[in-house]
Amino acid sequence: NAGVTQTPKFRILKIGQSMTLQCAQDMNHNYMYWYRQDPGMGLKLIYYSVGAGITDKGEVPNGYNVSRSTTEDFPLRLELAAPSQTSVYFCASGENQETQYFGPGTRLLVL
Amino acid sequence: GQNIDQPTEMTATEGAIVQINCTYQTSGFNGLFWYQQHAGEAPTFLSYNVLDGLEEKGRFSSFLSRSKGYSYLLLKELQMKDSASYLCAVTRGNNRKLIWGLGTSLAVNP
Repeated sequence: NAGVTQTPKFRILKIGQSMTLQCAQDMNHNYMYWYRQDPGMGLKLIYYSVGAGITDKGEVPNGYNVSRSTTEDFPLRLELAAPSQTSVYFCASGENQETQYFGPGTRLLVL
Repeated sequence: GQNIDQPTEMTATEGAIVQINCTYQTSGFNGLFWYQQHAGEAPTFLSYNVLDGLEEKGRFSSFLSRSKGYSYLLLKELQMKDSASYLCAVTRGNNRKLIWGLGTSLAVNP
């Protein structure tokens, strides 16, 4: 199993641009999560999903959107990038509500 | 991190023992996790405690006291590679989403 994969690893965006961060898992996990991690701020939950077709907001959803059309994929969409969205983004998945396996992360810089 | 408290930084010596504490609000508590995160990498799972007591897993042990809202991670025979951030996280209530502490940055010196 590849586990949780994320692409791209690193991206620079201009203010106002849009992009999609990709996340995929091959473990048939129902639960998937998107976090952002800023220095000294800990992990903040952006969105999560308990199964295909079901998504819900986390702590910091503003400026982001997600979809979950399949069990495997959980893309995160930034429509109008802002400097405040400069961060490291982690996707995670789990077979139940507690266990979480993390992807390698995407480093995003918005200038 | 939503009333999860852990020390910001700790230092220890190679070969020694270090204890990293975590306190949390007990209301609606379900379980507590410890994750390890090396600089520039993703968090990786270390332990999960639901019941009171100590759980040992090799050089790492995790303790939980539900009534006191207290946990610690014990690292024995410290190695340089143990230098990392250690994240405490709890689940509460019916939704069971993880609530994360800010992490403890551990530096292991020779």
